[in-house]
Amino acid sequence: QQQVKQSPQSLIVQKGGISIINCAYENTAFDYFPWYQQFPGKGPALLIAIRPDVSEKKEGRFTISFNKSAKQFSLHIMDSQPGDSATYFCAAEGTGAGSYQLTFGKGTKLSVIP
Amino acid sequence: EAEVAQSPRYKITEKSQAVAFWCDPISGHATLYWYRQILGQGPELLVQFQDESVVDDSQLPKDRFSAERLKGVDSTLKIQPAELGDSAMYLCASSLFRLASNEQFFGPGTRLTVL
Repeated sequence: QQQVKQSPQSLIVQKGGISIINCAYENTAFDYFPWYQQFPGKGPALLIAIRPDVSEKKEGRFTISFNKSAKQFSLHIMDSQPGDSATYFCAAEGTGAGSYQLTFGKGTKLSVIP
Repeated sequence: EAEVAQSPRYKITEKSQAVAFWCDPISGHATLYWYRQILGQGPELLVQFQDESVVDDSQLPKDRFSAERLKGVDSTLKIQPAELGDSAMYLCASSLFRLASNEQFFGPGTRLTVL
């Protein structure tokens, strides 16, 4: 059972454009929603995260929008740059079997072309 | 800047052989995680340690996989025997303590190819 669904699988955006990646979750026990960025040959790195008590969080060019009733959240990258080209994973976390564990989406490969 | 170290970075083995991966978390991080990442998918948790104790290994295929963190610092993940379907990236991560919203720091991973 895929608990976090992510789309699109791949995305091509021109430099200066807006990149938008969407995620939907099923488990209402999730209460922490991070986005990770992964470059080839590297492990994922935390980019930005949100909790469900707010609808939006912005850090520089990166913004998370959160819709609790629809169980959806999205990542917006403003003024996309070639250096943003990477794979982005949304994730969700809540308690399960006495532990805290991240459930990841399948990822979106972003390519920003000059 | 402190980083999670993993070795080897790449491993090629034949099926039915044994393989082992090593992880050294960021100093002072009590919680350690092993993930498996199949090409084109997100990481999936295999096992989670709090200090030297396993707190979640519900998704670890225990017939062939084992993990230990004997002194609560570095950790080893072993596969014996390896199968073709085990080909994947194995990621180690660590966090200060076990709590939701506690940032996990990932290592570069070990890419395993089983022939």
